[in-house]
Amino acid sequence: EDKVVQSPLSLVVHEGDTVTLNCSYEVTNFRSLLWYKQEKKAPTFLFMLTSSGIEKKSGRLSSILDKKELFSILNITATQTGDSAVYLCAVKGLTQGGSEKLVFGKGTKLTVNP
Amino acid sequence: SQTIHQWPATLVQPVGSPLSLECTVEGTSNPNLYWYRQAAGRGLQLLFYSVGIGQISSEVPQNLSASRPQDRQFILSSKKLLLSDSGFYLCAWSEGQSYEQYFGPGTRLTVT
Repeated sequence: EDKVVQSPLSLVVHEGDTVTLNCSYEVTNFRSLLWYKQEKKAPTFLFMLTSSGIEKKSGRLSSILDKKELFSILNITATQTGDSAVYLCAVKGLTQGGSEKLVFGKGTKLTVNP
Repeated sequence: SQTIHQWPATLVQPVGSPLSLECTVEGTSNPNLYWYRQAAGRGLQLLFYSVGIGQISSEVPQNLSASRPQDRQFILSSKKLLLSDSGFYLCAWSEGQSYEQYFGPGTRLTVT
């Protein structure tokens, strides 16, 4: 059964800390891995990763994929209170019938205290 | 435990034809329900959300509409599909105002 497991489920840090969020997966016919930041209603897209070892970076956020070990990490440096959110990892794969599916992890709830 | 279902998994429709995608949730009562569309290589775009039966909020103007005829049923519809309606549609639910949303498996819609 396809699954995406994120850890930790919840994390509380102080402003300025650096955090690492983990995502491991088992998905048939892997296509890509996506990270989202979810604050209120709509998750906000952060990164899409398709190749191993290539770091994607956006400001204080960065992410990398390891397709051999089937995991990805999301790093946030110098955290700010505005980083508080649920971070979702999702993996796109194909069903046996050839249709796409997106398997989401349950998310990591990050709380950054001032 | 709660589960969310979407169907069909894949749909190919001609331009101008109607659309109906269905989403149902089991194991919870009065969930918030959401319809998203995912553009290729990008994130999720919220289309509609509902906090109760018959209560629908639209986030973006479009060719689509949504209805919630029952507590745990959410339907995405169109009277006439456009080419630009092609995409991957996701239904999600959450408990009340919690941040965590749980997504269905999605429907890949191709309009030809």
